[in-house]
Amino acid sequence: QVQLVESGGGVVQPGGSLTLSCAASGFTFSDSGIHWVRQAPGKGLEWVALIWGDGSSDFYADSVKGRFTISRDNSKNTLYLQMSSPREEDTAVYYCAKDSNRALDCWGQGTLVTVSS
Amino acid sequence: DVVMTQTPLSLSVTPGQPASISCKSSQRLLHSNGKTYLSWYVQKPGQSPQLLIYEVSSRLSGVSERFSGSGSGTDFTLKISRVEAEDVGVYYCMQGIQLRTFGQGTKVEIK
Repeated sequence: QVQLVESGGGVVQPGGSLTLSCAASGFTFSDSGIHWVRQAPGKGLEWVALIWGDGSSDFYADSVKGRFTISRDNSKNTLYLQMSSPREEDTAVYYCAKDSNRALDCWGQGTLVTVSS
Repeated sequence: DVVMTQTPLSLSVTPGQPASISCKSSQRLLHSNGKTYLSWYVQKPGQSPQLLIYEVSSRLSGVSERFSGSGSGTDFTLKISRVEAEDVGVYYCMQGIQLRTFGQGTKVEIK
């Protein structure tokens, strides 16, 4: 079955860096755009970034543009989110989610990132 | 940017009664291909979000027929025909016409 598993969360200092991973299985990874979506504690869902299946294009929310980079390795069926210069307001559970018909039809379990000194 | 506005933000429903959630977008969600990219999700307590409905009214395989979506242009609605205890959670709409944006969420509780 389709599965997405995030990893790499933890505590990071403001201005530091952290890379999240999302391992995919159960579908043809290179055929699907994949998103990162986050949820701050007690808050709603915020879309973060999208990368196309072939990796040729990526898109970002204004709140992370220039600081976060989404990438993928189709040979490893893995998605990444490199977080540079994180801020306290980036503290959230980060989910990866598969795109289908411009909806998000499969989500991972999430990984918690805490930005704190 | 496309802004999504949901109402109400919370809903308390008697089991067996219907429930309705409204979602309004700041721009039309109709693509030039004729499809309208509005989807609905539920996040049950302690779980990841899950897709219920895509392209306004198409239910994901396995989703109960009690859930239905409707609307066009900028106004959309999710209806639950008869609320059950397992429907408790936060419901979100999301637009897919310009990147992605979620509504604020509507918390559904059982009376």
